[in-house]
Amino acid sequence: GAVVSQHPSWVICKSGTSVKIECRSLDFQATTMFWYRQFPKQSLMLMATSNEGSKATYEQGVEKDKFLINHASLTLSTLTVTSAHPEDSSFYICSATKGDQYFGPGTRLLVL
Amino acid sequence: GEDVEQSLFLSVREGDSSVINCTYTDSSSTYLYWYKQEPGAGLQLLTYIFSNMDMKQDQRLTVLLNKKDKHLSLRIADTQTGDSAIYFCAEIPNQAGTALIFGKGTTLSVSS
Repeated sequence: GAVVSQHPSWVICKSGTSVKIECRSLDFQATTMFWYRQFPKQSLMLMATSNEGSKATYEQGVEKDKFLINHASLTLSTLTVTSAHPEDSSFYICSATKGDQYFGPGTRLLVL
Repeated sequence: GEDVEQSLFLSVREGDSSVINCTYTDSSSTYLYWYKQEPGAGLQLLTYIFSNMDMKQDQRLTVLLNKKDKHLSLRIADTQTGDSAIYFCAEIPNQAGTALIFGKGTTLSVSS
């Protein structure tokens, strides 16, 4: 048990478009999900904490209007990168908590 | 603030033991984790240790915790080429359910 999926696994988009990434806990309910970003050869950096039914809490330096997070149910959280720019190209990973944290496989975003 | 430090690279020969070291700064950390990340993939939880333990063994993996020195290590016995990956040390500063703080990751390269 404790499987977390992400969709899509990778996406290429044009600059200025918006991209939605889904994070699902497949076999458990997660009241809290986290969104991380990983730049090449660097560690994961927490972007925001998402609690079901409430507004996400963003880390310092993360623009909440650019990275929209919705956590509408106990098994689904979405991250929408609005008006994406090349500097938003990164590996986005979500995690869901069930005692421990379980990570999704990640979504690689490339903005041209 | 919290900080987790790891050496960046480790190279070993197949069959040897690998030891990956990590230091952390938050003495109130309750859980310390080791994650494995294969190229282009998400994080896989390898093992974790509770802060009141000194050692935990799980098959080929041995975790040692020196709480006084805030030092954590992961030993992989009989290292195989399939163990080649990036290994992240992570801590939870207070209680389960909060975000992890990651080190930058140690790239383990196993040669045959």
